[in-house]
Amino acid sequence: GAVVSQHPSRVICKSGTSVKIECRSLDFQATTMFWYRQFPKQSLMLMATSNEGSKATYEQGVEKDKFLINHASLTLSTLTVTSAHPEDSSFYICSARVDSGGHQETQYFGPGTRLLVL
Amino acid sequence: GIQVEQSPPDLILQEGANSTLRCNFSDSVNNLQWFHQNPWGQLINLFYIPSGTKQNGRLSATTVATERYSLLYISSSQTTDSGVYFCALTYNYNNNDMRFGAGTRLTVKP
Repeated sequence: GAVVSQHPSRVICKSGTSVKIECRSLDFQATTMFWYRQFPKQSLMLMATSNEGSKATYEQGVEKDKFLINHASLTLSTLTVTSAHPEDSSFYICSARVDSGGHQETQYFGPGTRLLVL
Repeated sequence: GIQVEQSPPDLILQEGANSTLRCNFSDSVNNLQWFHQNPWGQLINLFYIPSGTKQNGRLSATTVATERYSLLYISSSQTTDSGVYFCALTYNYNNNDMRFGAGTRLTVKP
């Protein structure tokens, strides 16, 4: 159980275009989903937290108008990189968590989406 | 500030050897997880271990919350254990902010 999928797994786009990445929890309902970015040989950095039906909370330094997040249902969150530029090329990973009312809950991570902007 | 420190940064082992990876943190945690990131980038959830000891096959983990560290033990290492091991945690005051350590890059040679 606790499987999170991402689509697409890899995308190459031209500079200036927008790219949408989907994150789905396949066998559970995720109250909260998270988006991370990982540059080569670096650790994961949290970009934003999204709760179903409400606006995402962005980390300091992450442009909310550039990285649009929509958490439309308890099983789907999308990240849209708008007007992508080469410096946006990175590995984007989502995770999902079931909020059971306690404070100790596991996050389950998707397989990641590798974005290359030419 | 918030600190998640992993050591060593790099580790090279011969197949069959044992190893210990360490994660130090700077405040009370409510969630601590160990992950293995494979060469394709997938994060494999190894342990959810905010406290105590757990074992799963050749892997085990111990978190001593009062002393603010966690250890991941790998015994009889195999080449498939190669990859990056991350410690990630959330602190009590912000359950949404999962912080990752810099990782330990493990290479197991045949």
